[in-house]
Amino acid sequence: NAGVTQTPKFQVLKTGQSMTLQCAQDMNHEYMSWYRQDPGMGLRLIHYSVGAGITDQGEVPNGYNVSRSTTEDFPLRLLSAAPSQTSVYFCASSPLGGKGQPQHFGDGTRLSIL
Amino acid sequence: GENVEQHPSTLSVQEGDSAVIKCTYSDSASNYFPWYKQELGKRPQLIIDIRSNVGEKKDQRIAVTLNKTAKHFSLHITETQPEDSAVYFCAPWNTDKLIFGTGTRLQVFP
Repeated sequence: NAGVTQTPKFQVLKTGQSMTLQCAQDMNHEYMSWYRQDPGMGLRLIHYSVGAGITDQGEVPNGYNVSRSTTEDFPLRLLSAAPSQTSVYFCASSPLGGKGQPQHFGDGTRLSIL
Repeated sequence: GENVEQHPSTLSVQEGDSAVIKCTYSDSASNYFPWYKQELGKRPQLIIDIRSNVGEKKDQRIAVTLNKTAKHFSLHITETQPEDSAVYFCAPWNTDKLIFGTGTRLQVFP
């Protein structure tokens, strides 16, 4: 099992550009989520999904879109990149379980917006 | 929404000493309480977790204690080693979300 795979690992964008961060997992996990981590800070939840076709907002959803058309994939779209979105983005997955489960994190995408 | 606070924000200990990090949360509906360790430039990794029907859980040098009445849980590391140096995050689970604390940077000096 590859676990949670995030691509790309690094990306530089110009202000106003759009892009999609990819996240895929091969563990058949129902629950997937996206976090951002600014330098020296904790992880903040952007969006999450409890299963295919279902998404919901986290703590900091503005400027980001998600979709969940399959169990395996949970892409994060930046609609119009802004310097404030410079961050490290982590995707995570887990079995749903209802009561919380250990999260499996990807290696992150380091995104810089100029 | 859930408000999660960690104390202290930094902690320096001598190798072999114990370290304790406390996490306070606001929502009494939280029912799963994990701790994650993040080394520099790496992804967070679960080191221990506890559920709301248990007061304490231990795994070798690491333990977690939970006080649901007071809404806090703590990470205890005994016999610290230099490889324990990292940032530690608590992340109580509430309904469908993990909300991370702001982190505690632990430095273990040889």
